[in-house]
Amino acid sequence: DSGVTQTPKHLITATGQRVTLRCSPRSGDLSVYWYQQSLDQGLQFLIQYYNGEERAKGNILERFSAQQFPDLHSELNLSSLELGDSALYFCASSVQSGMSYNEQFFGPGTRLTVL
Amino acid sequence: GQNIDQPTEMTATEGAIVQINCTYQTSGFNGLFWYQQHAGEAPTFLSYNVLDGLEEKGRFSSFLSRSKGYSYLLLKELQMKDSASYLCAVRPRDSGYALNFGKGTSLLVTP
Repeated sequence: DSGVTQTPKHLITATGQRVTLRCSPRSGDLSVYWYQQSLDQGLQFLIQYYNGEERAKGNILERFSAQQFPDLHSELNLSSLELGDSALYFCASSVQSGMSYNEQFFGPGTRLTVL
Repeated sequence: GQNIDQPTEMTATEGAIVQINCTYQTSGFNGLFWYQQHAGEAPTFLSYNVLDGLEEKGRFSSFLSRSKGYSYLLLKELQMKDSASYLCAVRPRDSGYALNFGKGTSLLVTP
């Protein structure tokens, strides 16, 4: 158990819908990262937040957005869902203390199925 | 941008040694990570290299050559539970500590 929690574990929805994925980082970690993992693309970085502010952006679609709240939990919002958005969505957290090591700990993931 | 290449699949025998290679091209480099991922589970951290050379951690070792854009993960005394996907990830400079992952190498350990 990494200490990172994600809800829900599974989500099944229809095209055109909107969903929200939730992540709670490890105690003490200020940084949250969102990744998408599909069979053909592998694990792809979407977006990072540090202490409530956006820090880095990867291959995140405009239909997707995220935020980090004062209690450091984060939410990833996916809207106008398409079949191709079906994937495993992972959240990871790290301390980001300025040390180069800065290991990321991954949550168990949310499996999103768009029908 | 990033380009990370690793073999798609490998097979090895229980008790043997296997080396999983990773090559990368990056505009700025700030560390290379190896993660293990069992099917349907979260990736778990194995190793980190930022300087050239070998880092050893029990049965697992990782090597880095920055000038060649090359790393490998060495797994010794293979066990059946080592059957998993092994992900090479590069942390670019100025990335906010985000990681760019390769597509992973699926390792099958056979009896």
